[in-house]
Amino acid sequence: QITLKESGPTLLKPTETLTLTCTFSGFSLTTNGVGVGWIRQPPGKAPECLGVIYWDDDKRYTPSLKSRLSITKDTSKNQVVLTMTSVDPVDTATYYCAHRVRGVYAFDYWGQGTLVTVSS
Amino acid sequence: DIQLTQSPSSLSASVGERVTITCRASQNISNFLNWYQQMPGTAPRLLIYTASTLQSGVPSRFAGSGSVTDFSLTISSLQREDSATYYCQETYTTPLTFGGGTKVEIK
Repeated sequence: QITLKESGPTLLKPTETLTLTCTFSGFSLTTNGVGVGWIRQPPGKAPECLGVIYWDDDKRYTPSLKSRLSITKDTSKNQVVLTMTSVDPVDTATYYCAHRVRGVYAFDYWGQGTLVTVSS
Repeated sequence: DIQLTQSPSSLSASVGERVTITCRASQNISNFLNWYQQMPGTAPRLLIYTASTLQSGVPSRFAGSGSVTDFSLTISSLQREDSATYYCQETYTTPLTFGGGTKVEIK
């Protein structure tokens, strides 16, 4: 059974750095073709994919945010970490991590999400 | 970036009706198009991947079709539990864009 869960701060001030951890079980990020993505969804808006990290450490970021984002993995802990620098109130959103695998080419398992609010 | 335009943005239909949502891509994405269902306060749920493949456990009343730039999601017989917002997503290239969503309500 695949599960994912996001953890991290719920409230940040503008200019701070957001660090979120995705802890997963039921799969390994060393398996060929597997990836974990980060997706955010501002209140009342559509989801936005921030980036994906793959089993071979390939990383793909959304171009508009690439300079502020970093995604890393710790396969021994079954964790993926998202770092976003210089947050702004427009970064207020629910942040999800999700499983992705070659052949499905979609996010087939999602975490419950964590709401991050940026406010002074 | 690839743009995805969903229509309609919202609809209201009766139980048992056939409902179709469309998603148009701004360029050729082959069949790299997925559909998700999202209930309020929950994460999106994958319904359809690669345009027409039904995800395991999803009721057969959901069906996807299309290729290149034009895609659709059809619910053959709308049920009360289908009240939700539906999103398409391209996985042809980064940034794996989502459409703007279609809110489906039950009359």
